[in-house]
Amino acid sequence: DVKVTQSSRYLVKRTGEKVFLECVQDMDHENMFWYRQDPGLGLRLIYFSYDVKMKEKGDIPEGYSVSREKKERFSLILESASTNQTSMYLCASRGATGGNTIYFGEGSWLTVV
Amino acid sequence: QKEVEQDPGPLSVPEGAIVSLNCTYSNSAFQYFMWYRQYSRKGPELLMYTYSSGNKEDGRFTAQVDKSSKYISLFIRDSQPSDSATYLCAMSLTGANSKLTFGKGITLSVRP
Repeated sequence: DVKVTQSSRYLVKRTGEKVFLECVQDMDHENMFWYRQDPGLGLRLIYFSYDVKMKEKGDIPEGYSVSREKKERFSLILESASTNQTSMYLCASRGATGGNTIYFGEGSWLTVV
Repeated sequence: QKEVEQDPGPLSVPEGAIVSLNCTYSNSAFQYFMWYRQYSRKGPELLMYTYSSGNKEDGRFTAQVDKSSKYISLFIRDSQPSDSATYLCAMSLTGANSKLTFGKGITLSVRP
């Protein structure tokens, strides 16, 4: 089974702090994704990465950056956390084959106060 | 028009009922269709995956794709309280790097 692990399940951070959300997958997948999920808005893509050191903006990249130095690890960075970034963050991965299905981690609940 | 529309619900049914969940879409080029189930405070898990048109059955779950109508459905037979969750449809184009487009999800509650 594919395993996508998000290291932090629940975080509380202060406005202006730099926040790192870490994600690791164990299936040697090329593609990795970061989404946020908010009530009434559904899943929104923040950034995705096709391969190591490659990244592309999703639908809502403002206020976020990402890092992918190793194939199995994809980090989401909030440069200066704000209260409107309080949300559930979901990491996902996908292999280059296999019908485009993606596999999600358990989610990281971030509260910015 | 949104690319993927999903009835926001919520939906409440008695145990044992047949449940029908639906999504419509506008992009006729979509080829891959998926249903994800998400329990409260958990990440979505892949439930069913279909390529192009047709039906796919897995236990109590059946996924249908009607590309002519741009309509996909998930049927749950003999629904159980453990089926209570949010269900999201998703679809994509072909191509290894195609992004998925998700519906907003519908919350299903199965009453014992």
